[in-house]
Order: sequence, then structure tokens, then C-alpha cells
Amino acid sequence: DADVTQTPRNRITKTGKRIMLECSQTKGHDRMYWYRQDPGLGLRLIYYSFDVKDINKGEISDGYSVSRQAQAKFSLSLESAIPNQTALYFCATSETGEYYDGYTFGSGTRLTVV
Amino acid sequence: AQSVTQLGSHVSVSEGALVLLRCNYSSSVPPYLFWYVQYPNQGLQLLLKYTTGATLVKGINGFEAEFKKSETSFHLTKPSAHMSDAAEYFCAVSGGSGGYQKVTFGTGTKLQVIP
Repeated sequence: DADVTQTPRNRITKTGKRIMLECSQTKGHDRMYWYRQDPGLGLRLIYYSFDVKDINKGEISDGYSVSRQAQAKFSLSLESAIPNQTALYFCATSETGEYYDGYTFGSGTRLTVV
Repeated sequence: AQSVTQLGSHVSVSEGALVLLRCNYSSSVPPYLFWYVQYPNQGLQLLLKYTTGATLVKGINGFEAEFKKSETSFHLTKPSAHMSDAAEYFCAVSGGSGGYQKVTFGTGTKLQVIP
């Protein structure tokens, strides 16, 4: 099994629908992140969580919400999906430490909003 | 403030030729620098990183990168390209200490390897 598992892998949804993307990890890392990837824009941080009770907004949190259900689970929700949220979404984890030492990424969820 | 610039969104090389992917950064604090590789339909995988110490760092699959503070660069190289190197490569910078160290990614460079 992958260290960081994202479900679903692909999803097509309609404008206005609520959708949840799920992420689970077996790395034992406390820190988890949600990123969005758009062609030509690189990766942009949506939300991050350092533990179950610590959740923080990233660069582009508007229109998104998250839930850290357990140390190993971090889900991303789009309350009312819109077409410009069509993108590739990645969950990532990292070790706790004074300095960032690199992410472990999931395989991504490709979301299309029509 | 920090930023990353990757020169060239697409790079093509012949199989066996030198691979050079360029990355320049700006950071107000001593940077930590990273290269990630993304194969089609996969997540990003850490290729190599510079934190402190030796400025020439070696990564997986024969890649290496050199931190040049005077040039604010962290270019990725590989002496001889393989077909399996075809992927998208992202440079990233992180700075600061304690709490959340912001990570800024470049916009990526797609490497094409021509047989």
C-alpha cells in the first residue's frame, strides 16, 4: 500500500455540488497538507494541519474546508464546487521538526467541475 | 519573502545527453532547496535536497544539484539522460525555522527525452 493514499483518483462533479476528497497516511507523520496543482502555476497550498487540533489556512483557502479526523486522516471539502476549482489535488505529509525536510505526496485526485 | 523561478517550461534532450534544468530562488533567510519529480499520473517524489553543509547534493536516479549562493541558483543536472527521465520537475524553496516553514514551488519544467 502507498504511504499516502488519496481517494477518489478521479472525480467529475457538477457546479454547486459538495464534494469531499480524502487522504490517509501510514507514515506516522503529524503534519498533513492539501495542495492544488494547475498547469503553469505549480503547486499552491490550500490548508495544512500540524496535528488533529491545529488546522491552518494556506494561500488559497477560499471555497475549501478541511477536517482532520485522526492523525492519519485529513479530508478536503468543496462546499459548493465551481468550474475554476477544476484541478489536480494533492495531499502531502511531512515530519515534525524545526525545519521543513521534504514532503511525501499522494498520487493525487483529478477533479473536474462541470 | 521567497520565490522560485524555473527557466524553461519545456526542455528537450537527446537520450545520452546532459540534462540541465535551471532553478533560481530568492529568500530573505538561508534557504532550504529541493527538487521534486512528477511522473505522469503520479504525485511528486523528492529527488534531492539541500539543507546545510555540502553544496553539491546527490539524489536518486543519478541526478545532482549544486547550491550556488552567489548566483542564487540550484540547477539540476544529470550527465546522461535516459528515456525514463521524461517527467516534470519542480524546484522548491523553504526558509525560516520553527512552526510552519513556507514552501514555495516553481512552475515546473517538463523534460522530454528524444530517442
